[in-house]
Amino acid sequence: EVQLVESGGGLIQPGGSLRLSCAASGFIVTSNYMSWVRQAPGKEPEWVSVFFPGGGTNYADSVKGRFTISRDISKSMLYLQMNSLRDDDTAVYYCARGGWSTYFDLWGRGTLVTVSS
Amino acid sequence: EVVLTQSPATLSLSPGERAALSCRASQSISTNLDWYQQRPGQAPRPLIYGASYRATGIPARFSGSGSGTDFTLTISSLEPEDFAVYYCQQRSHWITFGQGTRLEIK
Repeated sequence: EVQLVESGGGLIQPGGSLRLSCAASGFIVTSNYMSWVRQAPGKEPEWVSVFFPGGGTNYADSVKGRFTISRDISKSMLYLQMNSLRDDDTAVYYCARGGWSTYFDLWGRGTLVTVSS
Repeated sequence: EVVLTQSPATLSLSPGERAALSCRASQSISTNLDWYQQRPGQAPRPLIYGASYRATGIPARFSGSGSGTDFTLTISSLEPEDFAVYYCQQRSHWITFGQGTRLEIK
């Protein structure tokens, strides 16, 4: 089955770190753009980061320098390392196939990250 | 940054009626515009890509049109499951989403 499953969310204090994981199945991760998209409560989605098929990456200005996207080809996994977390990083984080030059054609169910003291 | 403005913010219609949702871009984005549906507690679901192409499994009652700065998502005859929030998203200059249109039952 073609699917994405996120994990790793939770409650974290401001300034803390968290790593999100996304398990991909049913397709080849390296052949696709893979993104993280987040959605704060009651707000529209916000693109966070993309991993290009060729290996490059890009980030939204709001997370640049704090978040790092990576992938493990052997495990078909995508990751998002989040450092120096702030209150406004609170959101449901979705793993999505696509981004940059292609639409998001496959989404996971999301994992909730709550940044609060 | 390309700002997408969706209108109306809320649209109240009855099942069987026709819905037209607008998305306007702050600069030309050609046809690099996609539409998503989101139901409560669920991830966004792709409906339309490239302004006018239906995504896999999307019923024919959904259609998209437009290019440049003005785009429209049309639902020809509303079904009960269509009442949800709809977002447009551009991928011409980085990636941004509109603020959404809530389609509610009248």
